[in-house]
Amino acid sequence: DIQMTQSPSTLSASVGDTVTITCRASENIRRWLAWYKQKPGKAPNLLITKASTLEAGVSSRFTGSGFGTEFTLTISSLQPDDFATYFCQQYDSYSPMWIFGQGTKVEVK
Amino acid sequence: QVHLQESGPGLVRPSETLSLTCSVSGYSITDGYYWGWIRQPPGKGLEWIAAAYHTGNSYFNPSLQSRATISVDTSNNQFSLTLRSVTAADTALYYCARLVAVTGSIDTWGQGPLVTVSS
Repeated sequence: DIQMTQSPSTLSASVGDTVTITCRASENIRRWLAWYKQKPGKAPNLLITKASTLEAGVSSRFTGSGFGTEFTLTISSLQPDDFATYFCQQYDSYSPMWIFGQGTKVEVK
Repeated sequence: QVHLQESGPGLVRPSETLSLTCSVSGYSITDGYYWGWIRQPPGKGLEWIAAAYHTGNSYFNPSLQSRATISVDTSNNQFSLTLRSVTAADTALYYCARLVAVTGSIDTWGQGPLVTVSS
């Protein structure tokens, strides 16, 4: 099975900073990667699909990139509401299966 | 707008069966998409459990396949999860969700009630 490794597990930042989260797949997943934001006590919210396509209504401060095995989520000009936990998720279209990374908590420095 | 709502017991005894139902409103489950379940132990990460299409085709996380069943009730526009022989390790928030094959993503989630396995 494909494994997803997300890093860092925790990231400390300040309002206005630009931060980057990385997700690595154990094998080539082309562009089958999504990113989610989760606030405490809430369900995850879909941010980006197919590695770089922003969902409707999501701020353009969120940028996804990558192909194959390495992917990044960049959040520019960090806002107070951006402090949350972010998950990547890979889709294996052949099985099918949905596999999540371990999550990155973005916290206030 | 599509809305998903889970229902079921919040407490299950060890070795017994966990059963949850997801009621879908604002969208017919026969119009497409996968429908599935994801869980999250308190304070931990997300784990996909199972997904099904309205035709009855179903798919499982290999780590849970031997204990999980997913079914779709098109007449009531809902789908269900059963997980047999539960232990404390199955204590988690259980989310029902709509899974989008075209993008490989999960675009709609339920609230995710906590199910505790304890005697």
